[in-house]
Amino acid sequence: NAGVTQTPKFRVLKTGQSMTLLCAQDMNHEYMYWYRQDPGMGLRLIHYSVGEGTTAKGEVPDGYNVSRLKKQNFLLGLESAAPSQTSVYFCASSSGRGAVGTDTQYFGPGTRLTVL
Amino acid sequence: AQSVTQPDIHITVSEGASLELRCNYSYGATPYLFWYVQSPGQGLQLLLKYFSGDTLVQGIKGFEAEFKRSQSSFNLRKPSVHWSDAAEYFCAASDYKLSFGAGTTVTVRA
Repeated sequence: NAGVTQTPKFRVLKTGQSMTLLCAQDMNHEYMYWYRQDPGMGLRLIHYSVGEGTTAKGEVPDGYNVSRLKKQNFLLGLESAAPSQTSVYFCASSSGRGAVGTDTQYFGPGTRLTVL
Repeated sequence: AQSVTQPDIHITVSEGASLELRCNYSYGATPYLFWYVQSPGQGLQLLLKYFSGDTLVQGIKGFEAEFKRSQSSFNLRKPSVHWSDAAEYFCAASDYKLSFGAGTTVTVRA
């Protein structure tokens, strides 16, 4: 089992460019999450999904879009990148046996994004 | 507003010494409580979690945490620290969405 994988590991964008971050999990988990991690602020939830075809906003959703077309994949898109989106992005998944956010989350290794 | 507070930004501890990391939460009702560890350049790994029942929770890597309702705290402890415990530790709480504290960085000196 690879667990949770994220592509790419690093990326540098110019302001206004767009990109998509891919998260894949092979644990047949129902729930998936995208977080951003900034120094001194812990992790903040961007968007999450409780199943294929469903998404919901988290704490800091502005400037991001997501899609969950397949159960194993959760995509995070930046349509017009801004320097404030420079961060480390983590994807996570959980089984879905409990209410969302209450069961153990398994994290990917992260994507370090720099927006110039 | 719901929040998780980790009062200590950085802790330095000698190898073999005990470690305690503090966590306080502010929720209307007792949330689900978690401790995660992040090694440099890695994702987060769950150390332990508390939902209900026994207030002393055992986790992996020799860690334990104690839930104290009266103090709204969920402190993490380890009796004897190893050099490999150097990492960033996050306390988290959830009623339906997971909220993380800002993290405590632990440095282990020989």
